[in-house]
Amino acid sequence: GQQLNQSPQSMFIQEGEDVSMNCTSSSIFNTWLWYKQDPGEGPVLLIALYKAGELTSNGRLTAQFGITRKDSFLNISASIPSDVGIYFCAGQRGNTGKLIFGQGTTLQVKP
Amino acid sequence: EAGVTQFPSHSVIEKGQTVTLRCDPISGHDNLYWYRRVMGKEIKFLLHFVKESKQDESGMPNNRFLAERTGGTYSTLKVQPAELEDSGVYFCASSQRTGGETQYFGPGTRLLVL
Repeated sequence: GQQLNQSPQSMFIQEGEDVSMNCTSSSIFNTWLWYKQDPGEGPVLLIALYKAGELTSNGRLTAQFGITRKDSFLNISASIPSDVGIYFCAGQRGNTGKLIFGQGTTLQVKP
Repeated sequence: EAGVTQFPSHSVIEKGQTVTLRCDPISGHDNLYWYRRVMGKEIKFLLHFVKESKQDESGMPNNRFLAERTGGTYSTLKVQPAELEDSGVYFCASSQRTGGETQYFGPGTRLLVL
């Protein structure tokens, strides 16, 4: 079935460090999305990418849509304690609404 | 503007019982989605409504799951009878349009089947 491989599964870093996580797929996606889930909440959209090669920033977050359309990465610079949570990549094909998610990266930041 | 709301926030039931989850999408959003995350795994798509019609129900696990969206407003997801493997967090999301449109997620219902 369709699957996104997201890594790493978890990260424990020091405040101020940069973080990088990525997703790969064996299939092409038209849209790549990065979500963050805080405890007790639902996923919230951080960045959406619509074109192969696109590099988009949102504050300290930067994400790229891979040239092959089969991968994406998310970087967080100068991490802070409130960056703690679970980060999910998600892919979408064509005009279907269905999102296919990665397994999630759990981020913990030590003050 | 109110976001997506889900009820209940938590539910603990015994195997064989019935549970009904409710989702109220953002007002005016025609598209409503159900997803599920089983412990430690990815969030998986269950189904997609456009107004009251099921657009895609390819992710529904089996016929113990029944989703409805009468009138094209709120939606319910009933599990009957519940099994142990149904435990997880059930998310609802809504969007105005379909492709390439931001989906706004509710806080989820945490279901535990004992």
